[in-house]
Amino acid sequence: AQKVTQAQTEISVVEKEDVTLDCVYETRDTTYYLFWYKQPPSGELVFLIRRNSFDEQNEISGRYSWNFQKSTSSFNFTITASQVVDSAVYFCALSEGSSGGYNKLIFGAGTRLAVHP
Amino acid sequence: GAVVSQHPSRVICKSGTSVKIECRSLDFQATTMFWYRQFPKQSLMLMATSNEGSKATYEQGVEKDKFLINHASLTLSTLTVTSAHPEDSSFYICSARPGTVEETQYFGPGTRLLVL
Repeated sequence: AQKVTQAQTEISVVEKEDVTLDCVYETRDTTYYLFWYKQPPSGELVFLIRRNSFDEQNEISGRYSWNFQKSTSSFNFTITASQVVDSAVYFCALSEGSSGGYNKLIFGAGTRLAVHP
Repeated sequence: GAVVSQHPSRVICKSGTSVKIECRSLDFQATTMFWYRQFPKQSLMLMATSNEGSKATYEQGVEKDKFLINHASLTLSTLTVTSAHPEDSSFYICSARPGTVEETQYFGPGTRLLVL
């Protein structure tokens, strides 16, 4: 069965610290997609990144970077030099199957990140 | 691009009334829209998948007669909570997928429902 585990419920850091949010997934499919979303206090989910199972290249976007490792079924997210505006709940999600299907997103429980000045 | 709106953003209603929530994709056509429910400090729970021009597919445990979903056009899906009760109070979020190839779901800002 498919499952997404975000073991860190809450993380608290001081501004400018680096922080890594862990995500471990389970799936039997060979084709799948992994996502990260940010949910600030306003409630709206903001799309951050999508990765398909055939692309293990790590990605960097400004202060954000993602480490995808199929060997450990992990898709970790690192924020470098954190800022107060990074405070939010971050969700990792999994979508199974090939393109064209009405595939559901399976969300992890979320990690609440608090960045203090 | 890929903007999804929801209306209303917040609604308070009396027990027994029905509430309609609209979800619109503003700059793309969405053949598939999804409705989620989120309780405080919890993750998102998928309620149903809405496909344009066909009946919605509900997740196990979600009452289809209580949560009516209509996806009448490629840019609009509605969720109607019928005969709402206090336990229906929650944060309802919709998402939309552009076409069937794009795997990313783009989310609306959510609707906070409070049933008194």
